[in-house]
Order: sequence, then structure tokens, then C-alpha cells
Amino acid sequence: EPEVTQTPSHQVTQMGQEVILRCVPISNHLYFYWYRQILGQKVEFLVSFYNNEISEKSEIFDDQFSVERPDGSNFTLKIRSTKLEDSAMYFCASTPRRENEAFFGQGTRLTVV
Amino acid sequence: QQQVKQSPQSLIVQKGGISIINCAYENTAFDYFPWYQQFPGKGPALLIAIRPDVSEKKEGRFTISFNKSAKQFSLHIMDSQPGDSATYFCAVHSGGYNKLIFGAGTRLAVHP
Repeated sequence: EPEVTQTPSHQVTQMGQEVILRCVPISNHLYFYWYRQILGQKVEFLVSFYNNEISEKSEIFDDQFSVERPDGSNFTLKIRSTKLEDSAMYFCASTPRRENEAFFGQGTRLTVV
Repeated sequence: QQQVKQSPQSLIVQKGGISIINCAYENTAFDYFPWYQQFPGKGPALLIAIRPDVSEKKEGRFTISFNKSAKQFSLHIMDSQPGDSATYFCAVHSGGYNKLIFGAGTRLAVHP
């Protein structure tokens, strides 16, 4: 069964450092997303990406965040200067069409110290 | 602004019982209503979903009931099993925007 894969599974970084979280969406999917989940809380939308551009972003997704699809398979989330409050699970998701089942990856646990 | 209200926060059910989780939404433009199951340390996985043109959808032991006029939908887990113990999230797809908005989650524990 096809799946969304994310690397690394756990990332520890110092406050102020840049991190890049990587995702390989399902190969025939066209829409890509990043969500985050602070420990014990709900899943929050960050950004959606289609046709090589951002189609929607939340208030959380400020200038410190950026996304990129550098090649035909990877989809990355970059946080330029991490803050303690960026500590969370970050989930990548993809869908084949706009209003369809979103397949989520296993997540990257980001810990900012 | 809380666009999706989910209840209860936690639920304890005996094995074989029925688990019921409820969600209420505000915006009538929402057009897709999935339920996700999440185990600790894992990503959310789609359990079952419904669109607003039907009032009920059943897949195995899982049923969604949808009340468009009341702007509510619920998940029923029949014959609940210890393996169903997880956190369940309702979500809505924003009609005009391409994103899922999640409820706060319900932590379900099924006791043997």
C-alpha cells in the first residue's frame, strides 16, 4: 500500500537553528500539506501546496516557515529560526484531488531546546 | 474561532459496548466530514468519511451519522474492542479552501 514517508522521525535542534523536515508524498498525488500537533493537542493545518505554489496557509505559517518541492518526489518544510514553541509533531499529508482522503505520514517529532 | 467542537474529551467503554463521539460545526460551506484514528506516536489515519448528501455511512463496525440541519455528525463504534483504544479526531474540509480543520480529539479507552 502506498504511503507518505517522513524523515527524520525525531529531530532535536537548538533554538534559533534552521531545520528542514522532509516528506515523500504518494507518487500520483497532486496536493501536499503540512500539519502540526503540539503534544496532546489537536492537529493544526499549516500549509497546502499545489502546482508548485502555496494554495493556502494558516496564521501559524509565518515568515519563519517555507515549503518547497525541490524535485519530483520530495516536499520539504523549512523553519528558519526555530523557537521553543515550534516543538511539536509535524505531519506531511497528500491527496490525489482537492477534496479527497488525506494520507498522513508518521510524523517528525521536532524538539527545540 | 472554534470551527469544530468535539465531545467528549475522553471516553471509557467496556469491550463489546458502543462508543459514540460527537462533532458540531459552524460553517455550512464544509463539504467533507472525515474521522481519523490516531495511535500514540503515529500519524492520523482515515477511518471513515461522509459527504453532506447522505445521512449515514457504515463501514464494518464504524458508522457516521450526519445531521445537516443541526450541523452535527457523530462516529459510532459498535462492539468496541481494546484494539480500538486510540484518539479519534473529527475533521471538516473547508469548502472554499483546501485544508482540513480538526476537532480537539477524543481519547477512547476500551476496557476488556
